[in-house]
Amino acid sequence: DTEVTQTPKHLVMGMTNKKSLKCEQHMGHRAMYWYKQKAKKPPELMFVYSYEKLSINESVPSRFSPECPNSSLLNLHLHALQPEDSALYLCASSPKDRLSYEQYFGPGTRLTVT
Amino acid sequence: QQQVKQSPQSLIVQKGGISIINCAYENTAFDYFPWYQQFPGKGPALLIAIRPDVSEKKEGRFTISFNKSAKQFSLHIMDSQPGDSATYFCAASEGSNFGNEKLTFGTGTRLTIIP
Repeated sequence: DTEVTQTPKHLVMGMTNKKSLKCEQHMGHRAMYWYKQKAKKPPELMFVYSYEKLSINESVPSRFSPECPNSSLLNLHLHALQPEDSALYLCASSPKDRLSYEQYFGPGTRLTVT
Repeated sequence: QQQVKQSPQSLIVQKGGISIINCAYENTAFDYFPWYQQFPGKGPALLIAIRPDVSEKKEGRFTISFNKSAKQFSLHIMDSQPGDSATYFCAASEGSNFGNEKLTFGTGTRLTIIP
C-alpha cells in the first residue's frame, strides 16, 4: 500500500480566513513533505519533516504554518493567504531509509483564495 | 547547478509508437532519478526510477536509459496508448544525503497519444 491521503479535496477561502490542510500516511514512512504546484508547472517543495521534526523550510511565507503531530499525520495551517497562493497543494511521504528513496504523492488539495 | 532540464515541452505520438522524453542535470551529487506521471487534477504518481549504478531499467512498457558521463537520462514509453496521455516530470535528488534528499523536478512534458 503506497497511499497518501489528503483532505479536503477542494478548499475555497477568503484572505482573512484560517483553514488547515491534512495529510495522512500509514506506510510507516519517516519523512513527509508539502509541495505547492501551480498550473502547468512542476511541484515546488515547501517543507520537509523528517522523524517528525521540521528539517527543510524553503523560505515559505509565515502565512503557511506546517505541523507534524505524529509520524502518520501532517498538517498545513493557512492564514491570511493571498490570491496568488491559489494552487494544488501536494503532500508526499518517503521511507527515508538507505535502501528506499521514493517519494509518494497524495492526490492534492485544490486551494482557491478569493 | 540544481536544475534539471527536460525536453520536449510537449509531444504528440501516434498510438503504438514510442514516446521519448529527455532530461539533463548538472549536479553530480544526484544519485536518484525518478519519473512521475501526472493526470489533470491528480497528484504525481511515481512511474519508475533509476540509480546511477545501472544504465537501463525496464518496467513493463516503460524504460529509463541513464548516461552518467553525459549527465542525461530519458524515459521511453513503448507501444504508447491513449491512456498514457498525461504530463511527465523527471526529477533528481541526492537520495543518500539525509537532510538534503529533496526532489528537483524538470519542467514537465505534456504527452498526447493520438489514435
